[in-house]
Amino acid sequence: GAVVSQHPSRVICKSGTSVKIECRSLDFQATTMFWYRQFPKQSLMLMATSNEGSKATYEQGVEKDKFLINHASLTLSTLTVTSAHPEDSSFYICSAIPDSPYEQYFGPGTRLTVT
Amino acid sequence: SQQGEEDPQALSIQEGENATMNCSYKTSINNLQWYRQNSGRGLVHLILIRSNEREKHSGRLRVTLDTSKKSSSLLITASRAADTASYFCATGGSSNTGKLIFGQGTTLQVKP
Repeated sequence: GAVVSQHPSRVICKSGTSVKIECRSLDFQATTMFWYRQFPKQSLMLMATSNEGSKATYEQGVEKDKFLINHASLTLSTLTVTSAHPEDSSFYICSAIPDSPYEQYFGPGTRLTVT
Repeated sequence: SQQGEEDPQALSIQEGENATMNCSYKTSINNLQWYRQNSGRGLVHLILIRSNEREKHSGRLRVTLDTSKKSSSLLITASRAADTASYFCATGGSSNTGKLIFGQGTTLQVKP
């Protein structure tokens, strides 16, 4: 089956610093990837749609200048949390679509803790 | 934004019993999917049902979809301790972009 990886799996950073999270489709090309955020004991909230070769589309209420998304290739999307604050601490999950929009493969998630 | 609600929010049953979770949504959909998430882990896709389907089976899983009521249910039969996890429904919009909107989830505990 299709595999999506995320790196790092866990990261701890200090308030005010920036953190980059990578999402890779390992055995397929993905023109579209999605980024979700999940707070403890809550559901996944869609943050943005990442499109290869074009700007990301952000959901309402998500600050695009704070959460920078770069979909540089058909197998890699990155999410950079800029000037991180403790309230940004969360579980960030990406997903990628190969050919059909019905198939969507999720990464294992990245646990971000901002101290 | 969240699409809808799932109930119950939490469910505790004994091994061997059946577990039923319900999901409601608000907008028109192209498909509805169910996912499982073990604590602190990523999502595992369980089953997809399209808007023109009413019922679908996969192993011990049975999913129903009622588009007139904008609701779906997931039935897990003969539950096992390994089924302990959170279960989420997610809807794909009628524009079929692949974007998913997740429900609030049901936390299932299966006691051995």
